[in-house]
Amino acid sequence: AQKITQTQPGMFVQEKEAVTLDCTYDTSDQSYGLFWYKQPSSGEMIFLIYQGSYDEQNATEGRYSLNFQKARKSANLVISASQLGDSAMYFCAMREGRDSSYKLIFGSGTRLLVRP
Amino acid sequence: DGGITQSPKYLFRKEGQNVTLSCEQNLNHDAMYWYRQDPGQGLRLIYYSQIVNDFQKGDIAEGYSVSREKKESFPLTVTSAQKNPTAFYLCASSIDWGLPRYEQYFGPGTRLTVT
Repeated sequence: AQKITQTQPGMFVQEKEAVTLDCTYDTSDQSYGLFWYKQPSSGEMIFLIYQGSYDEQNATEGRYSLNFQKARKSANLVISASQLGDSAMYFCAMREGRDSSYKLIFGSGTRLLVRP
Repeated sequence: DGGITQSPKYLFRKEGQNVTLSCEQNLNHDAMYWYRQDPGQGLRLIYYSQIVNDFQKGDIAEGYSVSREKKESFPLTVTSAQKNPTAFYLCASSIDWGLPRYEQYFGPGTRLTVT
């Protein structure tokens, strides 16, 4: 079974509007971390935001916020006031606490296109 | 400026040749990782290293080899045994203190094409 599922292969949003990118995860660990990365067409992976499994508040970083619903195992990324530069691939990833490699497990990504 | 460098950005090789991809970091991170990305997909872990002179296989290690002789460097060799080596390769590093909190920092990637 996939550990990270991103069900939206592609999304459009109008400039200046908000958009939500979906992510669901599967783990039996109590301690884990959830990450969102942005990958522009140039290829580098840019860290956006982190949510810990024990964090009581939803994480926020500027225009990015993470809607964390632990019981539903979802960690959706919300981008407010979209900008043309937000057009990119977005990946949700998880790091499990008991996995000694501390590797990131990635979803298949969502391509976001911001329309002017 | 601290960061991760990967060279070259584009690499072309003939089938049957081994090729080594460079990854250097000056972030003083203990852990380093190599990922492979195929078109339209997420990243998959090839190898990782948590300390110098030690490394472990990831999910798709067959046909690859690594070394970790220095903390700053983690080169990846794509051998002729790798059946489908054409892909985008990303190197990453992180602090690893036994908690899932620490994000991985990524290099700019190397796009390898084997014909």
